[in-house]
Amino acid sequence: EVQLVESGGGLVQPGGSLRLSCAASEFTFRNYDMTWVRQAPGKGLEWVSIIGGSGGDTYYADSVKGRFTISRDNSKNTLFLQMNSLRVEDTALYYCAKCSDPEMATIIPDSWGQGALVTVSS
Amino acid sequence: AIQMTQSPSSLSASVGDRVTITCRASQGIRDDLGWYQQKPGKAPKLLIYAASSLQNGVPSRFSGSGSGTDFTLTISSLQPEDFATYYCLQDNNYPWTFGQGTKVEIK
Repeated sequence: EVQLVESGGGLVQPGGSLRLSCAASEFTFRNYDMTWVRQAPGKGLEWVSIIGGSGGDTYYADSVKGRFTISRDNSKNTLFLQMNSLRVEDTALYYCAKCSDPEMATIIPDSWGQGALVTVSS
Repeated sequence: AIQMTQSPSSLSASVGDRVTITCRASQGIRDDLGWYQQKPGKAPKLLIYAASSLQNGVPSRFSGSGSGTDFTLTISSLQPEDFATYYCLQDNNYPWTFGQGTKVEIK
């Protein structure tokens, strides 16, 4: 069974930085695109970013473009999200998710971690 | 960015009811749509991908339909464990976008 464990969340002041990690296991990490999705307290889901299996292709939501950077270390089966210039509205539970096998004609996320809480407050 | 308009935002239903949730895309997205179920305090769970394909292990009472701009998630006979919030997600074009969610509550 796919395992995804996020870490690195916490309380940070506006303008600060934080780096989330997602440790992956029980699947061949380098073969799959990986994505981050967030959920503000009591709100809906918001897609944040995605990275290709080799790490070469990345895309971002407009709300985080230029401030967040997604990356991965395939030798350590770990996904990262570097978050800079954090704003109060970035407060959310951040989920790491594995994308589907492209042979399924979709890469929609099919497995999710339990999330890491990021709170941006002074 | 493609906007996904999901309706209704909430509904009340009884066990055994047939429930339908819709998502409308602001532009055509072929069949590049999935449906998720989320229960309080839990991560989302994929139910349907490619608009109408049932994810492994998901009960057959869940079904999806549609293509282009209009999509539907149907629960044929609502069960107690189905009370949750449901979201659609388009993966046709970046940035991916979710619908606002539909909370299914007990009547």
